[in-house]
Amino acid sequence: AQSVAQPEDQVNVAEGNPLTVKCTYSVSGNPYLFWYVQYPNRGLQFLLKYITGDNLVKGSYGFEAEFNKSQTSFHLKKPSALVSDSALYFCAVRLMEYGNKLVFGAGTILRVKS
Amino acid sequence: ETGVTQTPRHLVMGMTNKKSLKCEQHLGHNAMYWYKQSAKKPLELMFVYSLEERVENNSVPSRFSPECPNSSHLFLHLHTLQPEDSALYLCASSQGPGRADEQFFGPGTRLTVL
Repeated sequence: AQSVAQPEDQVNVAEGNPLTVKCTYSVSGNPYLFWYVQYPNRGLQFLLKYITGDNLVKGSYGFEAEFNKSQTSFHLKKPSALVSDSALYFCAVRLMEYGNKLVFGAGTILRVKS
Repeated sequence: ETGVTQTPRHLVMGMTNKKSLKCEQHLGHNAMYWYKQSAKKPLELMFVYSLEERVENNSVPSRFSPECPNSSHLFLHLHTLQPEDSALYLCASSQGPGRADEQFFGPGTRLTVL
């Protein structure tokens, strides 16, 4: 089945340390990949996307993600975490074969402690 | 704010009630979406509208009935719902339904069915 997976339900990191939220995908063809963040009682906010080109994509709030085709991964990273980064993060993949449907992972809770 | 508003933010209804959720986007987008977000489940796409025409219906029960009167407004009409329909209902919009278009989400309506 073609899908996207977030292997960690929760990631804990200390403020100021680098953070990584993992995402792997299982699709045929060239995936379009997205990261979204959801703060409590809010909708999802777009962070960044990979379409083509440079494998390192920079997005909002200092986040970046690296597309790795050989490992079928699109991990979200930030060099120095902030307490305000604590939220629910979703990876998503979009395929023309699915009628351009956006398929979301289950989400990863990020907790940044001061 | 993302430019997508949803009303009401919270709704409690009985199984025999009829209610409607409203979504409005102020971004000049041409595509609008309804998603269902349940606890411990991936985000589920329900309906997609492009230029006011429904282009996708993801096997959603008929007790959910969408309406898109124009490109800025989207409704979800609810009737004879079940308790398992309790969830956060998210509306989103995008420039078009194309693969590269990121979606902008509203804050959601928290629905509780008694």
